[in-house]
Amino acid sequence: SQELEQSPQSLIVQEGKNLTINCTSSKTLYGLYWYKQKYGEGLIFLMMLQKGGEEKSHEKITAKLDEKKQQSSLHITASQPSHAGIYLCGAAPTGGFKTIFGAGTRLFVKA
Amino acid sequence: DGGITQSPKYLFRKEGQNVTLSCEQNLNHDAMYWYRQDPGQGLRLIYYSQIVNDFQKGDIAEGYSVSREKKESFPLTVTSAQKNPTAFYLCASSSTGPGTQYFGPGTRLLVL
Repeated sequence: SQELEQSPQSLIVQEGKNLTINCTSSKTLYGLYWYKQKYGEGLIFLMMLQKGGEEKSHEKITAKLDEKKQQSSLHITASQPSHAGIYLCGAAPTGGFKTIFGAGTRLFVKA
Repeated sequence: DGGITQSPKYLFRKEGQNVTLSCEQNLNHDAMYWYRQDPGQGLRLIYYSQIVNDFQKGDIAEGYSVSREKKESFPLTVTSAQKNPTAFYLCASSSTGPGTQYFGPGTRLLVL
């Protein structure tokens, strides 16, 4: 079965610094989703990537899906306290309905 | 406002008791999902439904049951057969395929 591995598990950065979170799949990705979760709350959709090499941006967050479609990176520029939370990647193996998620990366931003 | 609501926010279960978690959406989405989230872990799929009166088991369906009698509603029952129910439960919906899922605020289930 397909698995998603996220790294790092947690990250503490100083406000204003850049950071990158990675999501690696054990199989080819047919769609990769990035979500953000505030502690104890539901997930908020950030971006979806489908094509190899595709890159999308939303405010100061950029996500990219590599050419081989087995890894995605999420980059935050000039981090702010509002960026703190858990970032999760998700994918639908073989494009079906069952979605799998990575374990998440916990981001802490020091003011 | 369109969205997904879950209730209650906190739920306490006694030994041997069945409890039901509510999930309602007014987004007119066909597909709905239930996930379980444990500390330090990602989401694990319990059940999903692509259409009214139809649902499929996810990866950890044992000890849980669902129904989909209305498009807007997808309640989850945690039965007494679920021996380790303490977790954060999240409901989601999507219009077509797994696509972009919209999540509810979650229900935290605790065992007394």
